[in-house]
Amino acid sequence: AQSVTQPDIHITVSEGASLELRCNYSYGATPYLFWYVQSPGQGLQLLLKYFSGDTLVQGIKGFEAEFKRSQSSFNLRKPSVHWSDAAEYFCAVGANTGGFKTIFGAGTRLFVKA
Amino acid sequence: DTAVSQTPKYLVTQMGNDKSIKCEQNLGHDTMYWYKQDSKKFLKIMFSYNNKELIINETVPNRFSPKSPDKAHLNLHINSLELGDSAVYFCASSQDVEEQFFGPGTRLTVL
Repeated sequence: AQSVTQPDIHITVSEGASLELRCNYSYGATPYLFWYVQSPGQGLQLLLKYFSGDTLVQGIKGFEAEFKRSQSSFNLRKPSVHWSDAAEYFCAVGANTGGFKTIFGAGTRLFVKA
Repeated sequence: DTAVSQTPKYLVTQMGNDKSIKCEQNLGHDTMYWYKQDSKKFLKIMFSYNNKELIINETVPNRFSPKSPDKAHLNLHINSLELGDSAVYFCASSQDVEEQFFGPGTRLTVL
């Protein structure tokens, strides 16, 4: 069965510093991978996705993620964090198993300090 | 234009009551979902419908009954509410394996 692990429950970075949020997945085939962001009191919004092709994918708001099959990882990065990036970030893996199902990680809460 | 909308946004009720949450999407998507997000922000799929047909039904108490009158609507009815049902419930929609679009959530509090 597929699963997603986000090892960091929360991370604090200074505004302007770089960011990397970790994600590891478990899935037997090539996965569909996603990163979503949830601002307080809001629903989730897609940042980026990987289905196939170039393993470095660009997303909205200056985010990017790199798929590394050998490490079963899909880490999210941003070169310079803005205060408005403070939110909850979810990594997710999708699979077609008698209906498309997305499994979400537990989330990483990002705090940005001035 | 709101892509995925849910009503109500907040729902406070007593244990044992029956309540419904409504969801509508205007994106023309074929698939709709219900998720439950607990107090630790863990997001778990409950149901998935494709063109009004139930395709995913996770281990959810049968007090929860989804209904899809058409492919733009997916409602969630909950009977005999329990304290543990308190959570934020999200509706979402997607087209095949593409990204999911989430509604703003319904915060259910059972007293």
